[in-house]
Amino acid sequence: DSGVTQTPKHLITATGQRVTLRCSPRSGDLSVYWYQQSLDQGLQFLIHYYNGEERAKGNILERFSAQQFPDLHSELNLSSLELGDSALYFCASSGSSGRQTGELFFGEGSRLTVL
Amino acid sequence: ILNVEQSPQSLHVQEGDSTNFTCSFPSSNFYALHWYRWETAKSPEALFVMTLNGDEKKKGRISATLNTKEGYSYLYIKGSQPEDSATYLCAFFRGDYKLSFGAGTTVTVRA
Repeated sequence: DSGVTQTPKHLITATGQRVTLRCSPRSGDLSVYWYQQSLDQGLQFLIHYYNGEERAKGNILERFSAQQFPDLHSELNLSSLELGDSALYFCASSGSSGRQTGELFFGEGSRLTVL
Repeated sequence: ILNVEQSPQSLHVQEGDSTNFTCSFPSSNFYALHWYRWETAKSPEALFVMTLNGDEKKKGRISATLNTKEGYSYLYIKGSQPEDSATYLCAFFRGDYKLSFGAGTTVTVRA
């Protein structure tokens, strides 16, 4: 158990809908990363938050947004869903601050299926 | 575009044999190189975080080396066991708060 909790574990929805994925980092970790793993793709970096502030964006679509709350949990919002958004979405947390990053601790992922 | 490349994509190893594979990354603006092991139906777990040129890390039968000047890292598995079967990911951090992963090397150890 990494200490990172993601909900829901599985989600099936229809095209055009909106979903919210939730992540609770390890106790004390200030950094949260979101990654997307689509079929036959590696882990694609989406976004990184540190202590409530956005630190970096990757190839995140404009239909996607995220935030980190004062209690450090994070949510990834996916809207106007398309079939291609079906993927496994991972959240990971890290205890490092500044420009270095320590090892990431991954949640179990949220598997999104868009029909 | 930041390219982290891993080779080979997959390999099969006989139990007891040793093996190694490569992670290539841009040599400029290097901050850290991570290795993770990802077993089927589980989440990636960290093996090593390497920050200095010439770093060598070891955990049991698995070890890694780092060459930041030429932009590569090797992961070695000595005396492979079936439980070593997994996908091994490397990830590159260049200080811009993005940790970019390679596609992984999938290792299958045959008994």
